[in-house]
Amino acid sequence: DVKVTQSSRYLVKRTGEKVFLECVQDMDHENMFWYRQDPGLGLRLIYFSYDVKMKEKGDIPEGYSVSREKKERFSLILESASTNQTSMYLCASSFTSGQVWRETQYFGPGTRLLVL
Amino acid sequence: QKEVEQDPGPLSVPEGAIVSLNCTYSNSAFQYFMWYRQYSRKGPELLMYTYSSGNKEDGRFTAQVDKSSKYISLFIRDSQPSDSATYLCAMSRGSNYKLTFGKGTLLTVNP
Repeated sequence: DVKVTQSSRYLVKRTGEKVFLECVQDMDHENMFWYRQDPGLGLRLIYFSYDVKMKEKGDIPEGYSVSREKKERFSLILESASTNQTSMYLCASSFTSGQVWRETQYFGPGTRLLVL
Repeated sequence: QKEVEQDPGPLSVPEGAIVSLNCTYSNSAFQYFMWYRQYSRKGPELLMYTYSSGNKEDGRFTAQVDKSSKYISLFIRDSQPSDSATYLCAMSRGSNYKLTFGKGTLLTVNP
């Protein structure tokens, strides 16, 4: 079974703090993704990575950065947390193989972040 | 016009009902279509995927794609309380393209 784990289920931080969200997958997937999910806005892609040390901006990268030093680990960094970054953060991973069923994304359980 | 439109609901049905969930899209380049199910306080999990137009059945679930109308559907037969969740449609242009998600429809199946 594919397993995507996220370092925290719930996190409370103060405005201006630097926040690290960690994601680890155990299936040797090439691709990893960070989304945020907000009521009425759905899932929005923040950043993604197709390979180690490689990153691409998604739809809403402002205020975030990422790091992928190892294939299995993808970190999301909030350089200076703000209240509008209070959200549910979801990590996902997938293969690259040319077959859709292998490219479908597997999600972690999510981290609920509250910025005060 | 948003790329993917999905009625957020909420949708409430009695146990045993047939449920129809729908998404419309504007980008004719989309070729792969997926449905994810998300239980409360959990991450989404893949339920079904289809390629191009047609139907696909898996147990009580049927996914339908009509590319000419840019419309996809998920049907749930004999709905169960355990089907209560948010259902997200997702689509992509092909290999190595990112997924575009609908906002999700909240479904409640009442015993």
